[in-house]
Amino acid sequence: GENVEQHPSTLSVQEGDSAVIKCTYSDSASNYFPWYKQELGKRPQLIIDIRSNVGEKKDQRIAVTLNKTAKHFSLHITETQPEDSAVYFCAASPPGGYQKVTFGTGTKLQVIP
Amino acid sequence: GAVVSQHPSWVICKSGTSVKIECRSLDFQATTMFWYRQFPKQSLMLMATSNEGSKATYEQGVEKDKFLINHASLTLSTLTVTSAHPEDSSFYICSARGNTYNEQFFGPGTRLTVL
Repeated sequence: GENVEQHPSTLSVQEGDSAVIKCTYSDSASNYFPWYKQELGKRPQLIIDIRSNVGEKKDQRIAVTLNKTAKHFSLHITETQPEDSAVYFCAASPPGGYQKVTFGTGTKLQVIP
Repeated sequence: GAVVSQHPSWVICKSGTSVKIECRSLDFQATTMFWYRQFPKQSLMLMATSNEGSKATYEQGVEKDKFLINHASLTLSTLTVTSAHPEDSSFYICSARGNTYNEQFFGPGTRLTVL
C-alpha cells in the first residue's frame, strides 16, 4: 500500500518568512496529492491539491510542487501570517473515487508574530 | 465546496455502551465515504472505506465487529462503536467523495469520550 512520509514534524517561522513542508510517497500509481490545514479540534480543510500531470500549482501565497520521478511533493507558504499557524497534512491517492487517501504524519506550523 | 455534516459533534458515554455517529453529504451524492480516527497530536488514521450498498473495507487492525459501518444511501453513512471502552475515546471524522473527482470533503468530526 501507499506510504507517505512528511517532514518536518514541527516548524517555527517568523511572520513574513516562508515555510516549506516536504512529503514523499511510495506508490507510483498515486496521481492526486492534496494538502490539508487542520486547526485544533476542527476538520481538515483542503488548501491546495495537485495532480500528477502538473508539476507546480500556485494559489496566492500557497504553492505546491510535484516531482513524479523522485516521488516527492512540497508545500510552500510565502509571507506567512499568524493565522497560518496550524497542523498541515499532505496526502496521496491513486486514481478512482473509491480509492483511499493516505495521509502524512503532519507538520505543526507556528508563525511567530 | 461540498458540505458534509456529522452528528453528534461530541458524545460522552459509559463503558460498555454503543454509540452511533452519522455522516451526511448534504449537497452531493457520496459514492464513497471514509471513516478516520485521530488521537491528539497525531495524523488521521483511516479505519474503513465504505461504498454505497456494499460492505465496508476495513483497514488492518480495525475490528469490524466493534466498529460497525453502514452506508445505506448515497448521502448517509453511520459508524457504530459497540461496547465502547475508554481506549476508544478519540476524534472520529468522516469524509465523503463523489465518483467524478478525487477531492474528499470532511465532516466536522465527533469527539467521543468513554468513561
